[in-house]
Amino acid sequence: EPEVTQTPSHQVTQMGQEVILRCVPISNHLYFYWYRQILGQKVEFLVSFYNNEISEKSEIFDDQFSVERPDGSNFTLKIRSTKLEDSAMYFCASSKDRFNYGYTFGSGTRLTVV
Amino acid sequence: KQEVTQIPAALSVPEGENLVLNCSFTDSAIYNLQWFRQDPGKGLTSLLLIQSSQREQTSGRLNASLDKSSGRSTLYIAASQPGDSATYLCAAVNGGSQGNLIFGKGTKLSVKP
Repeated sequence: EPEVTQTPSHQVTQMGQEVILRCVPISNHLYFYWYRQILGQKVEFLVSFYNNEISEKSEIFDDQFSVERPDGSNFTLKIRSTKLEDSAMYFCASSKDRFNYGYTFGSGTRLTVV
Repeated sequence: KQEVTQIPAALSVPEGENLVLNCSFTDSAIYNLQWFRQDPGKGLTSLLLIQSSQREQTSGRLNASLDKSSGRSTLYIAASQPGDSATYLCAAVNGGSQGNLIFGKGTKLSVKP
């Protein structure tokens, strides 16, 4: 069964540092997403990406965040200057279609900002 | 603004019992509703997707129903097993959106042997 792969599984960073979270979506999927889950809270949408551009973003996804698909396989989330409140589990997901197929989620990157 | 609520927050049942998890949403203009399973410290596994035009979907021991008019979905698990212990999340895709999911907080299910 095809998988969405995320690296690293756990990252610890100092406040103010930049982090890049990496994802390899399923190869024939066209839609890519980042979500996050703060401990004990709901999974929250951050951003969706299609055809090499952002198609939608939430109010959480401010100027400190950016996404990129630098080649045909990777999809990255960059946080420019991390804050304590950025500590969360970050999930990447991909889908063939926005509405007719389910998502496949990766196993997540646990980001801890100290 | 779409809000998704799941009741109960936690549920403990003996093995073999049939059970129902509930999900409600405030805006009935959805494209679809999806159910996921989340194991501790892990990602989300897609279980079932119900399109807005459908009433139910089945996969093995799982059956999900959708009633758009009342803003409700249920996930029925038949003959529960200890391996079903996990958190179950429902999520709605809003009409007019670009396909992003709006999640409930989940129901944490524990099936006791």
